[in-house]
Amino acid sequence: NAGVTQTPKFRVLKTGQSMTLLCAQDMNHEYMYWYRQDPGMGLRLIHYSVGEGTTAKGEVPDGYNVSRLKKQNFLLGLESAAPSQTSVYFCASSPFWGGYTGELFFGEGSRLTVL
Amino acid sequence: GQQLNQSPQSMFIQEGEDVSMNCTSSSIFNTWLWYKQDPGEGPVLLIALYKAGELTSNGRLTAQFGITRKDSFLNISASIPSDVGIYFCAGQDANNAGNMLTFGGGTRLMVKP
Repeated sequence: NAGVTQTPKFRVLKTGQSMTLLCAQDMNHEYMYWYRQDPGMGLRLIHYSVGEGTTAKGEVPDGYNVSRLKKQNFLLGLESAAPSQTSVYFCASSPFWGGYTGELFFGEGSRLTVL
Repeated sequence: GQQLNQSPQSMFIQEGEDVSMNCTSSSIFNTWLWYKQDPGEGPVLLIALYKAGELTSNGRLTAQFGITRKDSFLNISASIPSDVGIYFCAGQDANNAGNMLTFGGGTRLMVKP
């Protein structure tokens, strides 16, 4: 019953440091997404992938990079962390394009603090 | 930027009370969805609405897709402590070429036993 698993769950960074968030799903879903959640702002799409080897920009992509080398994994990278990237990050996956069905399966979230 | 206005932002109610929250958009939506996020967890889909005027129930939850396609509401009847969490509306903007989902800011529900 793993579903969507995110690592790490918590991380504290200093400004300028880099890190990678890993998302793994075991449901054989084609589509994967990275969102950030900020108070009162809802969930905003950072990047997404429509299949292995593909990535695309979402609503707030600046400062982030992603890769999907394997179908089950979607990595989110911060090359030079900034305090504005302090947030809770959620990975999600879906068997169909989420915009049509809305049936996204979310991980538990990764809380990132940038000092 | 965010296109959905979700209200109220937070609610503190007594166990047993009914709850109502809604979402409005400035543009027409093709799909309306309601998610719930338990504390420390990721959001989980509660109800999906795909047709204007559609009224759908899931246990004590009832949601409707507004006739104008610019709004949706969620009602929870006879609230219980496990209803605590953040409720998000989401939708697919008919004018969004990428058919992306847009999320509202969330309604934080607190239930007093």
